[in-house]
Amino acid sequence: KNEVEQSPQNLTAQEGEFITINCSYSVGISALHWLQQHPGGGIVSLFMLSSGKKKHGRLIATINIQEKHSSLHITASHPRDSAVYICAVETSGSRLTFGEGTQLTVNP
Amino acid sequence: NAGVTQTPKFRILKIGQSMTLQCAQDMNHNYMYWYRQDPGMGLKLIYYSVGAGITDKGEVPNGYNVSRSTTEDFPLRLELAAPSQTSVYFCASSSAGQMNTEAFFGQGTRLTVV
Repeated sequence: KNEVEQSPQNLTAQEGEFITINCSYSVGISALHWLQQHPGGGIVSLFMLSSGKKKHGRLIATINIQEKHSSLHITASHPRDSAVYICAVETSGSRLTFGEGTQLTVNP
Repeated sequence: NAGVTQTPKFRILKIGQSMTLQCAQDMNHNYMYWYRQDPGMGLKLIYYSVGAGITDKGEVPNGYNVSRSTTEDFPLRLELAAPSQTSVYFCASSSAGQMNTEAFFGQGTRLTVV
């Protein structure tokens, strides 16, 4: 079993829909990162959080440390949100352990 | 600032050949990392460095070597390429490990070993 599990693996939505991607982990962490990988392959950091909730534009990330679970929400989704979304947890020794990613496709 | 720059973007190697993947960052970050990404799998850490002159193995270091002679550069060397090293390689950097700081990634190098 992977230390970081994401669901769903693939997600197709219509433009405007509210989207949720989930991440569960099984180890103690100091922080959790959400990353976005564009179709061209580049990876950018969206959020880093260790508690509570963060919001940036139409993106919202939440984390529940007790339940070892995080969610990434996208409101009013748009085709340009189509990408792979990756959850990564930060453990001791400044290491990141990555989930396998969620492929999101938003159709117009 | 250019951020994290990786070269080349694509490369095809024959089995047994060697090559160096280049990575440079202009953000004065101490920490740098090399990951590989295989289809359907999460990124795996190959090697990392916490500063010039210091490197350490990650999860999957076999078949690779690194050096860190300057803060800016962190090249990854494949000495005897094998088909199992076909993957997409990402270099990343951050200012203080990845503890509570954002990580910056290069654009990736797609390597095929035939």
